Amino acid sequence: DGGITQSPKYLFRKEGQNVTLSCEQNLNHDAMYWYRQDPGQGLRLIYYSQIVNDFQKGDIAEGYSVSREKKESFPLTVTSAQKNPTAFYLCASSTGQGANLAFFGQGTRLTVV
Amino acid sequence: DQQVKQNSPSLSVQEGRISILNCDYTNSMFDYFLWYKKYPAEGPTFLISISSIKDKNEDGRFTVFLNKSAKHLSLHIVPSQPGDSAVYFCAAKGTNTGTASKLTFGTGTRLQVTL
Repeated sequence: DGGITQSPKYLFRKEGQNVTLSCEQNLNHDAMYWYRQDPGQGLRLIYYSQIVNDFQKGDIAEGYSVSREKKESFPLTVTSAQKNPTAFYLCASSTGQGANLAFFGQGTRLTVV
Repeated sequence: DQQVKQNSPSLSVQEGRISILNCDYTNSMFDYFLWYKKYPAEGPTFLISISSIKDKNEDGRFTVFLNKSAKHLSLHIVPSQPGDSAVYFCAAKGTNTGTASKLTFGTGTRLQVTL
């Protein structure tokens, strides 16, 4: 089945450590995105990529890094520079054309301990 | 600066009645609006959308209304069912985002449909 797979579903990290969240899609979508959800807030855009080997900062990119070496994959690294990394992270993809409807993965809950 | 606002954090509706979820926006460059439904610990799923050139879009029990002059949209669910209980996010896309679906989300409204 086509879709977006995020792994792991739950992740624990010690303070000061970097951690990488995985996002893979087999929808043949050009564009991919990372959003963060915090309690009482909407989804906020961290980074997005419109095409392989290209990506742009979203609204809250500080403390995060991404890569887009393959069309199917858009991993997000949460670095030790991110002040409040505990959150629910959502990856999405879209065709990049027309209505640009974004399809979301199931999310990764990151907890810093 | 919250460009998309959902001022009601929660809403409770009896089964069979109409649910009305509201959303306001401030950015005149938004030209496409979407509603997503989200269950706890899951990703949002697309529900319905509307282009700024329309004022209404209907899909089964779901209807979205857009009032551009008031910068307001609403989602109507009728009749409401217990399975509709979830958090609903309003999202908007601007004209200046190129091919990317850079969506700006509201804070969500938690809908509870009671028996």
